[in-house]
Amino acid sequence: ETGVTQSPTHLIKTRGQQVTLRCSSQSGHNTVSWYQQALGQGPQFIFQYYREEENGRGNFPPRFSGLQFPNYSSELNVNALELDDSALYLCASSLLAGDYEQYFGPGTRLTVT
Amino acid sequence: TQLLEQSPQFLSIQEGENLTVYCNSSSVFSSLQWYRQEPGEGPVLLVTVVTGGEVKKLKRLTFQFGDARKDSSLHITAAQPGDTGLYLCAGDTENSGYALNFGKGTSLLVTP
Repeated sequence: ETGVTQSPTHLIKTRGQQVTLRCSSQSGHNTVSWYQQALGQGPQFIFQYYREEENGRGNFPPRFSGLQFPNYSSELNVNALELDDSALYLCASSLLAGDYEQYFGPGTRLTVT
Repeated sequence: TQLLEQSPQFLSIQEGENLTVYCNSSSVFSSLQWYRQEPGEGPVLLVTVVTGGEVKKLKRLTFQFGDARKDSSLHITAAQPGDTGLYLCAGDTENSGYALNFGKGTSLLVTP
């Protein structure tokens, strides 16, 4: 069974740029959630995708957007990067939407300068 | 406003000691999870509790869900250096949709 994978591991971007982060779900899981974890904080929910549709969204502006593909892999896109976007971005997959047991990938560390 | 408050924020103990960390809220949770996260890694699910008063054991770790489903505790017996990490509680409420609400975590350091 393959776990959740994310790429890239680390990324450095300049303020105003755009970034795309990628995630492959755990085998058999059709739901993916994205979280932002700032230094010293717990993860904050960005949004969830189920069967290629956004299924719920946290308190993040529209410049945070996502996609889920038929193979259940997913992307997180962030436009017009701000310094406060610097964080660890975590992808989590679950068997079903609303499944409270989520399995996390190792994360992508984004630094915005 | 943080939905889940964790305490203590930091804990440094010696190998062999016991410890308890707490996760509290004014909200009722449908379920609550505990995760451990190591530096540069994603959180790893340790346990899920769903029933008020439920107690679950995972080797030296004991998890308890409060009767009113508003709080939880994690007790570690005879801590080992391998227990070092950030312990996060997370839960979902009736109003949270599919979002998991996380606390800020308790950072535990166990020294030999």
